[in-house]
Amino acid sequence: DAGVTQSPTHLIKTRGQQVTLRCSPKSGHDTVSWYQQALGQGPQFIFQYYEEEERQRGNFPDRFSGHQFPNYSSELNVNALLLGDSALYLCASSFGRGSEAFFGQGTRLTVV
Amino acid sequence: AQSVAQPEDQVNVAEGNPLTVKCTYSVSGNPYLFWYVQYPNRGLQFLLKYITGDNLVKGSYGFEAEFNKSQTSFHLKKPSALVSDSALYFCAVRDRGGSQGNLIFGKGTKLSVKP
Repeated sequence: DAGVTQSPTHLIKTRGQQVTLRCSPKSGHDTVSWYQQALGQGPQFIFQYYEEEERQRGNFPDRFSGHQFPNYSSELNVNALLLGDSALYLCASSFGRGSEAFFGQGTRLTVV
Repeated sequence: AQSVAQPEDQVNVAEGNPLTVKCTYSVSGNPYLFWYVQYPNRGLQFLLKYITGDNLVKGSYGFEAEFNKSQTSFHLKKPSALVSDSALYFCAVRDRGGSQGNLIFGKGTKLSVKP
């Protein structure tokens, strides 16, 4: 079991550009959540996908959008990048209400 | 609103000594509680969780945590610290009454174990 895998591991983008990050959940998991972790901070919830629909959303602008595919993999898209979007983006997968979330290694996004 | 507080930015412990990393939480209902560890430039690794039952929860790598409902705390403990335990530790809460939704994380506590 490969666990949760994310790609790419590192990314450098220019202000105003758009970026797509990808996540494959742990085998058997059907729910994918995305988090943003700024330097020195705890992860902040962006949104969660279940059955290909956004089930819950955190306090992030509409520039942040996502998608879940039939195989449960997911994408995070960020439009009109700002310098403040520079962070580690973490994908987490889970199954069941009380289950722990398993995290990928993250994508380090740098906006210049 | 749900929240998690980790009052210590850093905890310093000598190898072989017991360690405690503190966490308090606030949720509207009954909580699911979690501890995660993060090594530099890595994702979060699950350590342990409290769902229901025994207030003392045992997890990975010899860590344990005690759920205290009256004090709304979920402190992480280990009887004998190792240098390899040095990392960033995050406490997280999920509202049991909500959807299988988001985790609310504390800001993290850096644990430094010296030989």
